[in-house]
Amino acid sequence: DVKVTQSSRYLVKRTGEKVFLECVQDMDHENMFWYRQDPGLGLRLIYFSYDVKMKEKGDIPEGYSVSREKKERFSLILESASTNQTSMYLCASRDQGQGRSPLHFGNGTRLTVT
Amino acid sequence: QKEVEQNSGPLSVPEGAIASLNCTYSDRGSQSFFWYRQYSGKSPELIMSIYSNGDKEDGRFTAQLNKASQYVSLLIRDSQPSDSATYLCAVINQAGTALIFGKGTTLSVSS
Repeated sequence: DVKVTQSSRYLVKRTGEKVFLECVQDMDHENMFWYRQDPGLGLRLIYFSYDVKMKEKGDIPEGYSVSREKKERFSLILESASTNQTSMYLCASRDQGQGRSPLHFGNGTRLTVT
Repeated sequence: QKEVEQNSGPLSVPEGAIASLNCTYSDRGSQSFFWYRQYSGKSPELIMSIYSNGDKEDGRFTAQLNKASQYVSLLIRDSQPSDSATYLCAVINQAGTALIFGKGTTLSVSS
């Protein structure tokens, strides 16, 4: 089974702090994704990465950056946290080699910015 | 903007009934379709995938795909209270690079 691990289940941060959300997958997947999920808005794609050191903006990249220095790890960075970034953050990975492959999600990080 | 549409619900069914969840998509070139289940406060988990027109059955779940109508559905037979969750429909875009999600349908099964 694919295992996608997010480093924190719950985080509370203050406005203006720099926040790092870490995600690790153990299946050698090329593709990794960061989503946020808010009530009524569904899953919204923040950033994704096709491979090491590659990144692409999703639908809502503003206020976020990412880092992928190793294939198994994809980090989401909130440069200066704001209260409107309070949300559930979901990391996912996917096998690019199989065009039909689904996303496999981590357990999520519920971030509260006060 | 490619879209995936689902009724938000809630869809309420009694225990033992069939629950029918529907999804339409706008990208006619889409080839792969998925259903995820998400319990409150948890992350989505994959329950079904379907790639060809017709029906695909897995236990109490049946996925149905009609590419001409750009329509995919999920049937849950003998619904149980444990099936109460939000069900997300997802579609791979024509380029095969990203999954597009609907906003989900909330299902409530009463005992």
